[in-house]
Amino acid sequence: DSGVTQTPKHLITATGQRVTLRCSPRSGDLSVYWYQQSLDQGLQFLIQYYNGEERAKGNILERFSAQQFPDLHSELNLSSLELGDSALYFCASSPHPDQPQHFGDGTRLSIL
Amino acid sequence: GESVGLHLPTLSVQEGDNSIINCAYSNSASDYFIWYKQESGKGPQFIIDIRSNMDKRQGQRVTVLLNKTVKHLSLQIAATQPGDSAVYFCAENNRYNQGGKLIFGQGTELSVKP
Repeated sequence: DSGVTQTPKHLITATGQRVTLRCSPRSGDLSVYWYQQSLDQGLQFLIQYYNGEERAKGNILERFSAQQFPDLHSELNLSSLELGDSALYFCASSPHPDQPQHFGDGTRLSIL
Repeated sequence: GESVGLHLPTLSVQEGDNSIINCAYSNSASDYFIWYKQESGKGPQFIIDIRSNMDKRQGQRVTVLLNKTVKHLSLQIAATQPGDSAVYFCAENNRYNQGGKLIFGQGTELSVKP
């Protein structure tokens, strides 16, 4: 158990809908990262927050947004969902961006 | 575009043998490298990391080697066990330009035969 908690574990929804994925980092970790894992693209970095501030951004779609709250948990919001958004979404955390990232077990998103 | 190594090859080894998983990275400015193990239905699990000022680092039953001249990274697992069966990913990072962004390779599937 990495100590990173992601909810929900599975999410099934329809095209055009909006969902929110939640991540609780390990105790004491200030940095949170979001990744997407799909069969054709592999593991792709989406976005990073450090102590509430956005630190780095990957190829995150404009339909996607995230935030980190004062209690350090983070949410990833996906809107206007398309079939191609079906994937595993992972959250990772680390005490500082300079230190190893530890991953949760992901949220599996299925778009019907 | 950016890329790190692998095209999901499969490595099959006998239990008790040593395993070597290789990775080529593309960004010569990367200064941090990390190996993860991913089992089915789980998230990537941290194995070992290495910074660019080192060329070797050892953990419990694992060793990571870094060759910056040829931009190559390897993970050696000693006395491979059935529980080591998983997909292994290498990842790279340039801390100064990319923050915490890890760029992952495609992964290698390790299969351990009892």
